[in-house]
Order: sequence, then structure tokens, then C-alpha cells
Amino acid sequence: AQSVTQLGSHVSVSEGALVLLRCNYSSSVPPYLFWYVQYPNQGLQLLLKYTSAATLVKGINGFEAEFKKSETSFHLTKPSAHMSDAAEYFCAVSERGSARQLTFGSGTQLTVLP
Amino acid sequence: DTAVSQTPKYLVTQMGNDKSIKCEQNLGHDTMYWYKQDSKKFLKIMFSYNNKELIINETVPNRFSPKSPDKAHLNLHINSLELGDSAVYFCASSQGGNPLYEQYFGPGTRLTVT
Repeated sequence: AQSVTQLGSHVSVSEGALVLLRCNYSSSVPPYLFWYVQYPNQGLQLLLKYTSAATLVKGINGFEAEFKKSETSFHLTKPSAHMSDAAEYFCAVSERGSARQLTFGSGTQLTVLP
Repeated sequence: DTAVSQTPKYLVTQMGNDKSIKCEQNLGHDTMYWYKQDSKKFLKIMFSYNNKELIINETVPNRFSPKSPDKAHLNLHINSLELGDSAVYFCASSQGGNPLYEQYFGPGTRLTVT
């Protein structure tokens, strides 16, 4: 069965600092991987997705993530945090070749300090 | 125009009552979903409909019954509400049931059962 683990339920960074949100997956076959963002009192919005076309995936708002099969990881990064990046971030996985839908991680709350 | 809308935004009710949450999407998508987000922000799919046909029905009490009158609507009816049903419920839609198609989420309905 597929699953994702997000290390760190809360991450704080200073404005302008590097953002690194960690996600590790467990899947019997190479999966599809996603990062979603949830701003306060809103629904989720897709940031980026990995579908095997390229291991480094660029998303919206300056975020990117790198798929590393050897580490079973899909960490989300942004070179310089902005106050508007404060939100909840979810990593999600879906298994290839099946009708299974998204399985979400437990989320990481990102706080950006002035 | 709001892409995926839900009503009501907040719902406070007593144990044992029956309530419904409505969802509408104006994106022309053929697949709609219901997710439950608990107090720890854990997000789990409940149902998925494709062209008004149920395609995913995760382990959810049969007190929960989705109804899709047409492709643009997916309502969630809950009978005999329990304290544990308190959560935020998100509706989402996508063009196609494959997880590679981006899912667009509604703003959520916060259900509180007292």
C-alpha cells in the first residue's frame, strides 16, 4: 500500500530564507507525487506534480521539488521565503497503473517570520 | 466566478440530526470528490463520482450518502450525526478520474456536531 510521511508538522523560517519541506513515500511501484498548499480557511491548491518526465519539478509561486528514487523522497523547496507562503503544505501520492486516488500526508504548517 | 463552491461554509448541529452539504462546480469536469479533513489536518478521500457514477467509496459509515443529480453537483447527506463526524469536508473536481488531472478544491464546510 502506498503512503507518504511528512517530517515535521511545523516548520518556521525567516523571510528570505530557504524553505525545505520533507516528504518521503512508500510505494510498491514508482508513484506519482504531488504537493498541495492550503491557505487559511481555503481549499487545497496544486503546487506541482511528479509524473516521471523530469526528476526536478517546478511549480507555482517559485516552489520546486526533486524526486529521488534512491531516497524515496520528494522534498519541496523554495530559495527565498515570502510572508505569503505561510500555509499548510501536503504531500500526496498516487500509485501508477491503478485506479487509486490520492493518499495525503499529514501536512506541514509553514510559518514565515518577519 | 467560483470554480468549486460548497454550502454551507459552517454547519453546527446536534448529535442524531440529519444534514446535507451541497457542492457545485462550473468547470465542466466529469469527476467529483468528497474529502474529510479531521482536527489534525489529516485529509482522506471519502467518495469519488465520475459522470454521476460512484467509482470510489472508501471505508465510510453508511450514514454518509453521496448524491449526484448531474455532473456539476455532488451533495453529501449525513444521517444520525455523531460527535466524530465533526471535521472540515472538502468537495473537489477534476477532468477525468486519473489522479494526474489536477483536482480543484472547494473552500470547505466546517461541520461541528455538539
